[in-house]
Amino acid sequence: NAGVMQNPRHLVRRRGQEARLRCSPMKGHSHVYWYRQLPEEGLKFMVYLQKENIIDESGMPKERFSAEFPKEGPSILRIQQVVRGDSAAYFCASSQQGKYSNQPQHFGDGTRLSIL
Amino acid sequence: ILNVEQSPQSLHVQEGDSTNFTCSFPSSNFYALHWYRWETAKSPEALFVMTLNGDEKKKGRISATLNTKEGYSYLYIKGSQPEDSATYLCAFEGYGGSQGNLIFGKGTKLSVKP
Repeated sequence: NAGVMQNPRHLVRRRGQEARLRCSPMKGHSHVYWYRQLPEEGLKFMVYLQKENIIDESGMPKERFSAEFPKEGPSILRIQQVVRGDSAAYFCASSQQGKYSNQPQHFGDGTRLSIL
Repeated sequence: ILNVEQSPQSLHVQEGDSTNFTCSFPSSNFYALHWYRWETAKSPEALFVMTLNGDEKKKGRISATLNTKEGYSYLYIKGSQPEDSATYLCAFEGYGGSQGNLIFGKGTKLSVKP
């Protein structure tokens, strides 16, 4: 499967624990985007990364959330000390070129995060 | 705050009916309008990326038009089939401000009854 791979598909955490969500972009894609979908809401942008660089993190909460896209390996979205309000579906997308390239972003199946 | 609105929120049609729905977006700083098809338990699938005012794109029975001056796009489905049942999302990509993000509408949920 050459598509965007996200794991795990479902993640359950207790309040105060850490959540790590992984995303492997499509082959040949070096641009990764993370989106969050809260219940009854649309997809909301969180962060845009290129290999080893955060390009735009304007949609990511300032505290407890961080993202990385190392030279080797998947992109990781990390949520520390999770709270109930973090329960959502988190989607990763990738593209071959960045913004203003007339290209779509290709999405993974998402990770459903539930906080007990 | 930039807003992308889609209407209707949901739509129920019979197999064979043709249907259309609307996406409204800011008319300033426009670069592109993206359409996605999202089936339950799957990932959003890219349908179109539209950049030019007056542009029309087609993929099988699905087509879309774009009016950047007034800030709207229509998605048309001709002869709906049960497999067209999905949520259709549009997303605005604009100049300036944030570099990476698409601003999504909440989608139109289409149900096609056999």
